Amino acid sequence: DTEVTQTPKHLVMGMTNKKSLKCEQHMGHRAMYWYKQKAKKPPELMFVYSYEKLSINESVPSRFSPECPNSSLLNLHLHALQPEDSALYLCASSQDSRANYGYTFGSGTRLTVV
Amino acid sequence: GESVGLHLPTLSVQEGDNSIINCAYSNSASDYFIWYKQESGKGPQFIIDIRSNMDKRQGQRVTVLLNKTVKHLSLQIAATQPGDSAVYFCAENPPMNRDDKIIFGKGTRLHILP
Repeated sequence: DTEVTQTPKHLVMGMTNKKSLKCEQHMGHRAMYWYKQKAKKPPELMFVYSYEKLSINESVPSRFSPECPNSSLLNLHLHALQPEDSALYLCASSQDSRANYGYTFGSGTRLTVV
Repeated sequence: GESVGLHLPTLSVQEGDNSIINCAYSNSASDYFIWYKQESGKGPQFIIDIRSNMDKRQGQRVTVLLNKTVKHLSLQIAATQPGDSAVYFCAENPPMNRDDKIIFGKGTRLHILP
């Protein structure tokens, strides 16, 4: 298995909703990442997990809450989002947090906040 | 600001011709570079990488050139096909004291003319 699987593929949520994005990989990678990508822009790093511990939080608002239950799973919990949070949310993984092996990205969750 | 940028936001190439996508980076200490391809509705896909101890690396129909003197990276695609239509991002991995994270350039859209 050489893929990163993200669910759901599309999500529409209201500003008072609570939802979660899920990411799974079975490549034995020990670093996992959440990125946010707006239209026609490069991906922007949000969080890095290294060996299941949060190692980087790029000053992301607390309405985004990451969780790494085990080495294969990464969640992003969403609460009280704003319309400007609408974007493509990408999960990625790499062999370890020293990213000199490149990242494998999932196809993303297209999030719309209404 | 971003340390990785691109010379052309959009590149139109005749099908069958070779494509050259350019990228400039600013951190002379960066030691690893990656090209990603992102098709519409998908996550970035790893194409090819190169380490700073090399100046050229070839893959299937793709070649990456690294010129450390002028801090320039390029991706050459031979015999461009319709399936090559996508946005191409270069990314660099500058050495850091903590967990590494790659920095994406702004992206170039490659448009294939019939």
